[in-house]
Amino acid sequence: DTEVTQTPKHLVMGMTNKKSLKCEQHMGHRAMYWYKQKAKKPPELMFVYSYEKLSINESVPSRFSPECPNSSLLNLHLHALQPEDSALYLCASSQEPPGSNYEQYFGPGTRLTVT
Amino acid sequence: GQNIDQPTEMTATEGAIVQINCTYQTSGFNGLFWYQQHAGEAPTFLSYNVLDGLEEKGRFSSFLSRSKGYSYLLLKELQMKDSASYLCAVRGEEADSWGKFQFGAGTQVVVTP
Repeated sequence: DTEVTQTPKHLVMGMTNKKSLKCEQHMGHRAMYWYKQKAKKPPELMFVYSYEKLSINESVPSRFSPECPNSSLLNLHLHALQPEDSALYLCASSQEPPGSNYEQYFGPGTRLTVT
Repeated sequence: GQNIDQPTEMTATEGAIVQINCTYQTSGFNGLFWYQQHAGEAPTFLSYNVLDGLEEKGRFSSFLSRSKGYSYLLLKELQMKDSASYLCAVRGEEADSWGKFQFGAGTQVVVTP
């Protein structure tokens, strides 16, 4: 199983709403990532979890709150978002170094629209 | 920090060969990756180089020169389905940055009949 799943596929939320994005993988990867991607732009790294602990936070605003409840699951909690936060949110996973293959496997993404 | 440059767009005809160049300037380096991304879809992994030289995988090959901070992705026998954005990404080296994959802006390849 080389699949990363994400739910929901699409999400529309108001600026006062609280919602969560979910990501799951069963490849035994111990590193999981959240990226944000705007149209015609490359993915921008938001957070990295290593062994269920937050290892990298790329100065993301606190209205985005990541959570890694176990080695297979990664959540992104959203609260009080702004319209400019509308984007495709991608989850990815990879082996923890010093594995021989560092490639990231991406989920299909959640397309978020903030109204 | 890291600076990754690649051309914005390239056009080629079906059956031809296209070479997408990527140059990078990094404070640490632990591998260069190429991903393919079709519009509205997630990136999919194509190749990985950490040592100098050429890696070949079917119709796709990738080359790396660490001393020059340079890589290219070679797509042979182009097919219409190869029309996509091709992303060059570099992974950090330091203990606190190994997870940092920084992506270039992507090269949109357009394959024409």
